Amino acid sequence: QKEVEQDPGPLSVPEGAIVSLNCTYSNSAFQYFMWYRQYSRKGPELLMYTYSSGNKEDGRFTAQVDKSSKYISLFIRDSQPSDSATYLCAMISGNTPLVFGKGTRLSVIA
Amino acid sequence: EAEVAQSPRYKITEKSQAVAFWCDPISGHATLYWYRQILGQGPELLVQFQDESVVDDSQLPKDRFSAERLKGVDSTLKIQPAELGDSAMYLCASSLSGGPYEQYFGPGTRLTVT
Repeated sequence: QKEVEQDPGPLSVPEGAIVSLNCTYSNSAFQYFMWYRQYSRKGPELLMYTYSSGNKEDGRFTAQVDKSSKYISLFIRDSQPSDSATYLCAMISGNTPLVFGKGTRLSVIA
Repeated sequence: EAEVAQSPRYKITEKSQAVAFWCDPISGHATLYWYRQILGQGPELLVQFQDESVVDDSQLPKDRFSAERLKGVDSTLKIQPAELGDSAMYLCASSLSGGPYEQYFGPGTRLTVT
């Protein structure tokens, strides 16, 4: 079992839909949880990060962490075609390297 | 807006040849990372530098890969000899010290080994 599991999709939604992206993990020591967006043939771009459990909102994006269930989510409200990309979750504990999920490929159809 | 620079963007090489990638981090970022991303997978860390010192190279295949950051600024990752399984995206990232979660990635070098 990998440390971080993420459904690779692809996920296709109509413009304006609410998108839910999820990751599960097995290492209870993870403390910081990140979401990256990666457009085709580009490097990952940090969207937001959260520390421990709870919610964090930034514009149309909301990140949730449930450490008791070892489950994290990213919600995108009012999705736009420009949100079409691969979304990677990543986690870290202490000084260990970032551990990434495989990424979920999202397409928002106009 | 400051960005991480990488070159070349694309590289095609034959197996058993040597190949090198270059990275220039965001100015002032003491920590530099090299990742490898295989198609359909997330990035995996190859090596981490703090200034000019290697902090973590546990996942670097040292029989064929080497990395250096001689003056603590830009960095070079080398593969010699290249193998077919090395075909991947090689990403460089940088961060300020103490903030490993705020890593800023460059555009990557896509390597194809034929």
